Amino acid sequence: GQQVMQIPQYQHVQEGEDFTTYCNSSTTLSNIQWYKQRPGGHPVFLIQLVKSGEVKKQKRLTFQFGEAKKNSSLHITATQTTDVGTYFCAGPGGGTYKYIFGTGTRLKVLA
Amino acid sequence: DVKVTQSSRYLVKRTGEKVFLECVQDMDHENMFWYRQDPGLGLRLIYFSYDVKMKEKGDIPEGYSVSREKKERFSLILESASTNQTSMYLCASSLTLTSGIQGSSEQFFGPGTRLTVL
Repeated sequence: GQQVMQIPQYQHVQEGEDFTTYCNSSTTLSNIQWYKQRPGGHPVFLIQLVKSGEVKKQKRLTFQFGEAKKNSSLHITATQTTDVGTYFCAGPGGGTYKYIFGTGTRLKVLA
Repeated sequence: DVKVTQSSRYLVKRTGEKVFLECVQDMDHENMFWYRQDPGLGLRLIYFSYDVKMKEKGDIPEGYSVSREKKERFSLILESASTNQTSMYLCASSLTLTSGIQGSSEQFFGPGTRLTVL
C-alpha cells in the first residue's frame, strides 16, 4: 500500500539554527498537507500544497512540493523555542479520499 | 473557529470491556475521522465517515466499529478492549474530502483521548 515516510524522526537543534524535515511518498500525490503538533497537544493544520514545484512561505517556515509531486519539505529558518513539536505531512491515499500521515519529525529546540 | 471536542482526555478500562469514545464537532462538517497515534507510527486512520450513517474503513479497522447517527457526532467503539488498543485516539473533521472551490480538506482535530487498557 501507499506509504508516506518522513525523515528525520527526531531532530535537536540549538535555538537560532535552521531545521528541515523531508516527506517522501511512494506514489504521486495530488496535494500535500503539513500539520504541527505541540507537546501534549493535537495536530494543527499549517498549509496545503497543490502544484508541482510549489513553494509557500509562512514567516520563518518554507514549504516545498517536489516537481514529481512525490516529496515535500518543511524548512524553518532560525528556530525558536516556540517551534518545538512534531511536524507531520499528509497526502491523499491513491484512489481514495483518505489522507495518509507521515510518521512525523519531532523537533526539539535547545535554548 | 471550528471546535472538535472529545468526551474524555484520559480513560482507563479493563480488558474485555466495551469502550465508547465520543467526538462532537460544531462546524457542520460532512466528514469525520478517527485516528490512533502511537510513538514512531504517526497517525493511523481507523474509520472515517462522509455523511450521517455512512462510514468507510481506514487502515486499521480491526477491533473497532463506529457510529454516526447525527452529523455532528462520531463515535468510536471498542467492542472488547484489549491491551494492544492502549493508545492516543484523535478525532478530526473536515469540510470536504478533496480541496477545491467547494472548500479545503484540512482536518481539524480534537484534543485526543488517551486510553489505557489494563
